[in-house]
Amino acid sequence: DAGITQSPRHKVTETGTPVTLRCHQTENHRYMYWYRQDPGHGLRLIHYSYGVKDTDKGEVSDGYSVSRSKTEDFLLTLESATSSQTSVYFCATGTDSYEQYFGPGTRLTVT
Amino acid sequence: GQNIDQPTEMTATEGAIVQINCTYQTSGFNGLFWYQQHAGEAPTFLSYNVLDGLEEKGRFSSFLSRSKGYSYLLLKELQMKDSASYLCAVPGGGQNFVFGPGTRLSVLP
Repeated sequence: DAGITQSPRHKVTETGTPVTLRCHQTENHRYMYWYRQDPGHGLRLIHYSYGVKDTDKGEVSDGYSVSRSKTEDFLLTLESATSSQTSVYFCATGTDSYEQYFGPGTRLTVT
Repeated sequence: GQNIDQPTEMTATEGAIVQINCTYQTSGFNGLFWYQQHAGEAPTFLSYNVLDGLEEKGRFSSFLSRSKGYSYLLLKELQMKDSASYLCAVPGGGQNFVFGPGTRLSVLP
């Protein structure tokens, strides 16, 4: 395992509130990713990072922002949560060989 | 862009062999991955194919044909614990990964 933790593991929040999800890794992997997983859609990439302070958008980045100030931490922020952002969020890390290692996931419910 | 297609669900019997197909369209090709995901858990890496042909790893094998945009995952001697979703994925430009919708496999006794 890549030693990936996510916090919180579960969260319920109200529409319009800001939410930050944290991903922490202990393997010093260069790449980090945030995905969301919804029934019928599979895993969809939100944002990814290829180094400290280097990030790029994925397929479904609208409404999300990310930050990576340290190699080990990758934060996902929902500035103003909406019900359409109710989902399971997975963080992953990766190396130059493209293989990815996934965290345990965060279940977010926006009411 | 990338597009990946997989069957939604499959059912097989314990001890049997099952083949899960994946077709893809991608503007560039850097290999194809298969992941296993049990219900309520994170995906875990199964295989990576970058060249044409069959890669065997124990009871699991993965095949790739780049000219046909086609891959399959072959599971032999099925066990109940193989009941899971199987995801194929391709890295697009840079690290922009695209995952297929996943195939939910049910193994029956």
